[in-house]
Amino acid sequence: QQPVQSPQAVILREGEDAVINCSSSKALYSVHWYRQKHGEAPVFLMILLKGGEQKGHDKISASFNEKKQQSSLYLTASQLSYSGTYFCGTDQGAQKLVFGQGTRLTINP
Amino acid sequence: SQTIHQWPATLVQPVGSPLSLECTVEGTSNPNLYWYRQAAGRGLQLLFYSVGIGQISSEVPQNLSASRPQDRQFILSSKKLLLSDSGFYLCAWFVGQMNTEAFFGQGTRLTVV
Repeated sequence: QQPVQSPQAVILREGEDAVINCSSSKALYSVHWYRQKHGEAPVFLMILLKGGEQKGHDKISASFNEKKQQSSLYLTASQLSYSGTYFCGTDQGAQKLVFGQGTRLTINP
Repeated sequence: SQTIHQWPATLVQPVGSPLSLECTVEGTSNPNLYWYRQAAGRGLQLLFYSVGIGQISSEVPQNLSASRPQDRQFILSSKKLLLSDSGFYLCAWFVGQMNTEAFFGQGTRLTVV
């Protein structure tokens, strides 16, 4: 079953923060986060495997809740280069990777 | 190093014509392979995935099929294209138990006219 992302779209000014959520009705083995620029392939951001895990690099981080049913992606002090569509991908077992519908992030100067 | 090749990059095909998209991976063995489709402005829809030669799991029953004739080759096919088959097709692969990143090919933009 496809994970649910929210919001569907976000418009920010450069320097503002954003949170993108990804939720599932059942516990997940892992959560993957990707960013896709228009017309390009998705690019890997990070993966979370354990309940309660948090990780990040630069100004992009993510968390995975204890029940492993929800993950959030945090973008702080957003830059123009952060624009794109963000997808969460969930491992539903048997090597099946399913993505959410995406969150379109627009950063304006 | 590990690379993934997907071709062609763009394709314009008439309705009712056949389709064959190919994806090959280099630098790894026994990868998990995936085909996704993305309609304009939409999410990534899982079409097929394969964990080994000849093993295909289908998520979309429509007029598409997939085959894995070799360990590092994944082919998406159709006998007769529909207008609704238009979209951006992406091949991806994993190694192991999905605890690392998926690598995506550059995609094929298919327009059915």
